[in-house]
Amino acid sequence: GAVVSQHPSWVICKSGTSVKIECRSLDFQATTMFWYRQFPKQSLMLMATSNEGSKATYEQGVEKDKFLINHASLTLSTLTVTSAHPEDSSFYICSARGDGQNTEAFFGQGTRLTVV
Amino acid sequence: GNSVTQMEGPVTLSEEAFLTINCTYTATGYPSLFWYVQYPGEGLQLLLKATKADDKGSNKGFEATYRKETTSFHLEKGSVQVSDSAVYFCALRSGGSTLGRLYFGRGTQLTVWP
Repeated sequence: GAVVSQHPSWVICKSGTSVKIECRSLDFQATTMFWYRQFPKQSLMLMATSNEGSKATYEQGVEKDKFLINHASLTLSTLTVTSAHPEDSSFYICSARGDGQNTEAFFGQGTRLTVV
Repeated sequence: GNSVTQMEGPVTLSEEAFLTINCTYTATGYPSLFWYVQYPGEGLQLLLKATKADDKGSNKGFEATYRKETTSFHLEKGSVQVSDSAVYFCALRSGGSTLGRLYFGRGTQLTVWP
């Protein structure tokens, strides 16, 4: 299957700082990218959906000013957690899919964020 | 609306035991159904899928049949291995979704002992 690379795989940051997570589709053009958050032993919670070149659509309850999503090219999307706090500590996973209604979505390996 | 209800875990089995993880769904339109597997510390990998009623998805000895009449997509494997230990997620993609958003169940932790 296609490859989606997420970086970094883990990061530790201090409270109040910002962290950027990158999601790259390595061998296909990702028209749409999804960002999920996963709490321990729970399912994936969709945070936002982004299409290349347009603003992301955030799910209800997700602060768009705190979780900045940029999808500037067909192979790269970034999630920036601004002014991070310990409660933002979580596992963040991106997913990318190309054009077409039945096109599969491929997942990155996830980023473990710990805010201290 | 769209939702997935998945059998609660954890599930603990001995090697070579039979596995069933139940999954039922509600959806608008004609959804596609998926099973994903997540190994510790990793993202999700697609295990199998079915795109229409009565389709059977299969991969690595796992199978699931899309049952429209019971709105179910139960995952089965005849003989599990220690390496199958992971979290399994059932998911659907609504047939009316042009963006391809997936709706996930809560996940079922499977542990296989030698």
